[in-house]
Amino acid sequence: KAGVTQTPRYLIKTRGQQVTLSCSPISGHRSVSWYQQTPGQGLQFLFEYFSETQRNKGNFPGRFSGRQFSNSRSEMNVSTLELGDSALYLCASSPIPQLAGGFQETQYFGPGTRLLVL
Amino acid sequence: AQTVTQSQPEMSVQEAETVTLSCTYDTSESDYYLFWYKQPPSRQMILVIRQEAYKQQNATENRFSVNFQKAAKSFSLKISDSQLGDAAMYFCAYRSALGTYKYIFGTGTRLKVLA
Repeated sequence: KAGVTQTPRYLIKTRGQQVTLSCSPISGHRSVSWYQQTPGQGLQFLFEYFSETQRNKGNFPGRFSGRQFSNSRSEMNVSTLELGDSALYLCASSPIPQLAGGFQETQYFGPGTRLLVL
Repeated sequence: AQTVTQSQPEMSVQEAETVTLSCTYDTSESDYYLFWYKQPPSRQMILVIRQEAYKQQNATENRFSVNFQKAAKSFSLKISDSQLGDAAMYFCAYRSALGTYKYIFGTGTRLKVLA
């Protein structure tokens, strides 16, 4: 079974631009979470989607938004990029309970998208 | 609000030796899940081990085991017979079992394995 995939893997943008990152979860997974990882702040939770609905949101400004499609693929968008948005953005998916074998709480991570804002 | 603390930014261990990584957490909930994730350099984050709070028995996965002390809110990871491939960042994480699906991660411990 294919793992979580994220595209693109690397991205360079300039301040003020916007960016869209994509995440395809493991087949059968309906929950997708996004994290921002930086050396200083560690992993910071952005938001989580389940069946196209945002189920949880972290403490990030409104410039950070996301959505989930009917096939469970998810996108996150960052508008008006700032230098501080440079980070590794990780996506993680979780299985629905019926397919989880007791591991529905476990998250499976993608390789991440490394964003550099100049 | 729940918090997860990893007080050891970096640890070193000799190959074949045993090392313990510390994690403490704070919560008022009684039912939750705890995890250790491993992130090798420039590689994907993977699950090492998980523990349900309602289980008293400590989880084990091959060379990896945990010491779960619920009353003390402590969740340490023991790696036995350390291998060079164990070198990575290790993150401790908490997730409520009560419907809040947000994970809370610690700041991580960088483990170096010395040959």
